[in-house]
Order: sequence, then structure tokens, then C-alpha cells
Amino acid sequence: DADVTQTPRNRITKTGKRIMLECSQTKGHDRMYWYRQDPGLGLRLIYYSFDVKDINKGEISDGYSVSRQAQAKFSLSLESAIPNQTALYFCATSAPGPRQETQYFGPGTRLLVL
Amino acid sequence: AQSVTQLGSHVSVSEGALVLLRCNYSSSVPPYLFWYVQYPNQGLQLLLKYTSAATLVKGINGFEAEFKKSETSFHLTKPSAHMSDAAEYFCAVYRDDKIIFGKGTRLHILP
Repeated sequence: DADVTQTPRNRITKTGKRIMLECSQTKGHDRMYWYRQDPGLGLRLIYYSFDVKDINKGEISDGYSVSRQAQAKFSLSLESAIPNQTALYFCATSAPGPRQETQYFGPGTRLLVL
Repeated sequence: AQSVTQLGSHVSVSEGALVLLRCNYSSSVPPYLFWYVQYPNQGLQLLLKYTSAATLVKGINGFEAEFKKSETSFHLTKPSAHMSDAAEYFCAVYRDDKIIFGKGTRLHILP
């Protein structure tokens, strides 16, 4: 079984709709991250969380919100989706301590906003 | 601020040829540096990382990278390319508890 899972894997939605992307992990890591990937732009950090009570904005948080429901779950919401939020979204985890700099990625959610 | 620059958004090499993917970093202090690989329709996985223990870092699948402070470079190499190496490669730097990714280089392997 995969250590970091994302649901759904693919999603098509319409402009103005609210959508939630979910991430779950069985690695026991405290730290979780949401990125979006766009062709030619690499990965950009949206939000990150170092524990259940800690939420931090990343480079491109506008138009997004997150919820850390438990150590193992971190959800990303688009309150009112717009076409330029069409992208590939990745969740990642890492552990605090000596190996905190290594992140483990989920398989991604491909989102299309029409 | 620390960042990385990857030279070439697309690189093509013949099967069996040397693979060289270039990455330069900007940093005032020795950084933690990484190469991640993304195979088609998959998430990213760590290929190798530099954490100042040794300047030549060996990773998975025969890849290695050399940290050169004088050139502020961390280029990724593999002596002989395989078709299975076709993927997108990301250089990254660790800063303020976060990883900053380069824009990626897509590696194409020619038969």
C-alpha cells in the first residue's frame, strides 16, 4: 500500500464550484505539504503544516484553504474554483529531526477547472 | 535567499550516452541540495541529496551529483542512459523548513 495517498486522482469541475482534495499518510510524519505543479514552473508550495495545530501559508496560498483533521490527514480546498487553478496537485510529508529535509510525495491529483 | 536554477527545460540523449542535467544554486551558506525525479503519471521521489557530508553524492538508479562550491553547482550525471530514465528531474534546495524546487528538466532518451 502507498504511504501517501491522494483522492481523487482526477477531477473535472466548473468555475465557481467548491472542491476538496484529500491527502492521507501512513508514514507517521508530523509535517505535511500541498504543492501545485504547472508545466515549466516546477512545484510551488501552497500550504504546509508542521502538526495538527499548525497551518502556514506557502508561496501561492490565495484562493486556497486547508484543514489538518488529524496527523495523518491534510485537505486542500478551492473555495470557488477558477480556470487558472487547473494544475497537478501534490501532497507531501516529512518527519521532524535529522531527516526533516526529505519529503515523500503522493501520486498527485490532476484538476481541470472549466 | 536560496534558490536553484536548472539549465535546459528539455534534454535529449541517446540510449547508452552520458546524462548531464545542470543545476546551479544561489546561497550564502552551504545548502542542503536535492535531486528529485518524476516518472510519467507519478509523484516525485528522492533521487539523491547533499547534506555536506561528501561532495560526491550517489543516488538510486546509477545517478550521482557533485557539489561544487566554487561553481555553485550541483549537476546530476549518469554514465549510460537507459530508456527507463525518461522522466522529469527537479533540483531543489532546503530553506526555512521548506523545499524550493527548480522548474524542472525533462529528459528524453533516444533509441
